[in-house]
Amino acid sequence: QSVLTQPPSVSAAPGQKVTISCSGSSSNVGTNYVSWYRQLPGTAPKLLIYENYKRPSGIPDRFSASKSGTSATLAITGLQTGDEADYYCGTWDTSLSAVVFGGGTSLTVL
Amino acid sequence: EVQLVESGGGLVKPGGSLRLSCAASGFVFSSYAINWVRQAPGKGLEWVSSISRGSDLIYYADSVKGRFSISRDNAKNSVYLQMNSLRAEDTAVYYCARPATGDGFDVWGQGTLVTVSS
Repeated sequence: QSVLTQPPSVSAAPGQKVTISCSGSSSNVGTNYVSWYRQLPGTAPKLLIYENYKRPSGIPDRFSASKSGTSATLAITGLQTGDEADYYCGTWDTSLSAVVFGGGTSLTVL
Repeated sequence: EVQLVESGGGLVKPGGSLRLSCAASGFVFSSYAINWVRQAPGKGLEWVSSISRGSDLIYYADSVKGRFSISRDNAKNSVYLQMNSLRAEDTAVYYCARPATGDGFDVWGQGTLVTVSS
């Protein structure tokens, strides 16, 4: 059971928009920065978003994120088949003194 | 090129030990904390441990506390994860990861597979 809650799967058609939620508590999402990762099969995770909404260089602006209270959301617009992957949110949990991740969301581009 | 390379994975029997290494290159290693994150087959990401730049701050997940030990050698640009009393549930790909300047992990290794089985 993950500390952060994500939907197991989401899907949308090419060109459309999809959002992935990440729900936590006051000791993690509510207090600390949230980051988002994409993981393609058989590869290491890749940082998509840090400090709640910032994109590392090279990440297109199709990827955006926000945080409100104890929940965070990743949005992907202009979906492409290459976006099919697992997406994870992560943050520091002050009570646990540990990094915590969501269980991951599998994105299918129909 | 900024890079992290893990090594030391393999097959080990329950109760056994293994030492993983993470070799860094392309950046000032001593300026960054390093973390270990694992992923069991078909499962999600699980943070394991972190060590600060000067080794003064060390954290462990409850699932490995008392069994795993993290250390680093800044002269060798390396971090190590000593894993003792291994269990079947420790079977996973182990990644080392570097925190970004702001937050999150911006550099990951390719991972090394640890299989605990008799």
